[in-house]
Amino acid sequence: DGGITQSPKYLFRKEGQNVTLSCEQNLNHDAMYWYRQDPGQGLRLIYYSQIVNDFQKGDIAEGYSVSREKKESFPLTVTSAQKNPTAFYLCASRQGQAGNTIYFGEGSWLTVV
Amino acid sequence: AQSVTQLGSHVSVSEGALVLLRCNYSSSVPPYLFWYVQYPNQGLQLLLKYTSAATLVKGINGFEAEFKKSETSFHLTKPSAHMSDAAEYFCAVTSNSGYSTLTFGKGTMLLVSP
Repeated sequence: DGGITQSPKYLFRKEGQNVTLSCEQNLNHDAMYWYRQDPGQGLRLIYYSQIVNDFQKGDIAEGYSVSREKKESFPLTVTSAQKNPTAFYLCASRQGQAGNTIYFGEGSWLTVV
Repeated sequence: AQSVTQLGSHVSVSEGALVLLRCNYSSSVPPYLFWYVQYPNQGLQLLLKYTSAATLVKGINGFEAEFKKSETSFHLTKPSAHMSDAAEYFCAVTSNSGYSTLTFGKGTMLLVSP
């Protein structure tokens, strides 16, 4: 099946540790996105990439890093610099321009204790 | 700059009643507008979108929305609620040019009672 696969679904980490969330898509989409979701806050854009080897900061990029070495993969690293990393993280992708649909993965829960 | 306001963080309806979820947008350029639905612990699924064709847009599961430029609104409706409609709904806006990103509202939780 075509789609976006995020892993792991649930992740627990100790404070001060970096953690990497995986996102893989087989839709052949050029653009990929990472959003963070907190209760009552909607979705906020962390980073996005329109093309391989290029990415841009979103609204809340501080404490996060990404890479885009392959078209199908867009991993997100939550660093120890992120003040409040516990959240639901959603990866998404889109082919082409603004009117096209953005498709989402099933999300990853990160809990930092 | 663009933004979305969803009125009401929670909306409660009875099964069979009309569903109305409100969305107002702000955009300095002509917008594209989207409604997504999210079930617990899942990703978002597209319900419908407006991309400057017909102003009344029909989506999946019996939902529809009307783009009203004069009111800067894109409210989501369904004539008769089902229990399975209980979920969180997000309105989102993007500009109609290039590769712009989506800006989401804070979401409205729809509660459906028997």
